[in-house]
Amino acid sequence: ETGVTQTPRHLVMGMTNKKSLKCEQHLGHNAMYWYKQSAKKPLELMFVYNFKEQTENNSVPSRFSPECPNSSHLFLHLHTLQPEDSALYLCASSQGSGGARDTQYFGPGTRLTVL
Amino acid sequence: GQNIDQPTEMTATEGAIVQINCTYQTSGFNGLFWYQQHAGEAPTFLSYNVLDGLEEKGRFSSFLSRSKGYSYLLLKELQMKDSASYLCAVRAVGGGSQGNLIFGKGTKLSVKP
Repeated sequence: ETGVTQTPRHLVMGMTNKKSLKCEQHLGHNAMYWYKQSAKKPLELMFVYNFKEQTENNSVPSRFSPECPNSSHLFLHLHTLQPEDSALYLCASSQGSGGARDTQYFGPGTRLTVL
Repeated sequence: GQNIDQPTEMTATEGAIVQINCTYQTSGFNGLFWYQQHAGEAPTFLSYNVLDGLEEKGRFSSFLSRSKGYSYLLLKELQMKDSASYLCAVRAVGGGSQGNLIFGKGTKLSVKP
């Protein structure tokens, strides 16, 4: 399944580094999402973009900065992260119809470790 | 507040049937989703319920009771490859959720020979 791809799959960074995560969807969807998945915690929604416009910022610290240049690409720019930010970062996309049946399809995630 | 509860872990035997329960308390309700996630992989969509009743899809079925705030995922003829985490997610309405999905912590299912 290559509908939603993410790079890199693994990333180790120091607290002073700047890095970016990339997500690309090949499903013709209009909405894209960033989630954080930590051990023993539910998936936490971070950001939502609908037709390239940010429609949700779920109280995410400013050290995480999203960018959505078009409906197929989504980035998450990272800077001065903390060790507690280590997690699996998942990207998802959906049709963005806003209807009850609007199903999200996920990428494989980037496993981030902050030293 | 928004709350989704599901068991943390379950174990079952190959060839058997297992039922994974999910209860929810959310501000409004506009659909419930089940996802399967193998370790280190993407969550993959399994099923969707918005009306009460049973939805069947091959070996997997999902049931919903909106009045009870309850759903279950039923897996029949278990196979070793069904060992994975199963995530319950509810699309809430209002309460600041803006129709986004609220996820439970997931149930880790181990299938033994």
